[in-house]
Amino acid sequence: DGGITQSPKYLFRKEGQNVTLSCEQNLNHDAMYWYRQDPGQGLRLIYYSQIVNDFQKGDIAEGYSVSREKKESFPLTVTSAQKNPTAFYLCASSPDRGRAGANVLTFGAGSRLTVL
Amino acid sequence: AQTVTQSQPEMSVQEAETVTLSCTYDTSENNYYLFWYKQPPSRQMILVIRQEAYKQQNATENRFSVNFQKAAKSFSLKISDSQLGDTAMYFCAFSISGTYKYIFGTGTRLKVLA
Repeated sequence: DGGITQSPKYLFRKEGQNVTLSCEQNLNHDAMYWYRQDPGQGLRLIYYSQIVNDFQKGDIAEGYSVSREKKESFPLTVTSAQKNPTAFYLCASSPDRGRAGANVLTFGAGSRLTVL
Repeated sequence: AQTVTQSQPEMSVQEAETVTLSCTYDTSENNYYLFWYKQPPSRQMILVIRQEAYKQQNATENRFSVNFQKAAKSFSLKISDSQLGDTAMYFCAFSISGTYKYIFGTGTRLKVLA
């Protein structure tokens, strides 16, 4: 079955450590996204990538980094520069603009990061 | 700036009854999409329904339908014959056609009561 796999589901980090969240999709989607979800807030965009080897900052990119070396993979690194990293992180993908189903996001199951 | 407002933080409905979740948005664009996503306790976001702004006909998916009022910038979701499995957080979202940016509302927590 096609879908998005995020790992790990739960992650604990000590202050000052970098951590990387994995996101893999087998939907053959061109675009991939990382969102952050906090209680009482909507989803906020961290980074997105339209194509391999290219990505764009979202609204809250500070303290985060990404890479897109393969179409299927879009890992997110939460660096020590992120002041308040405890949150739920959602990865998503969508077909390229102009393709059927464009603009519809498909989401992974999420990763919960807690800073100790 | 584009915004999406969901004014009902929490709602409840009896099983088999009908409930309507409200959503308003603000944009100066003409071509866009509107969405309702459901986030159950498992926290995986699932698309409920999608509406293209250029279509006047309201979208329908089984028990889910929308009331799209473009002039009023309103996009409400109606759930008919509510089921216990409909208990979830519901997010209204908006995306400008041809872009990769989505604006999400803060969500409405819906509880279906047995």
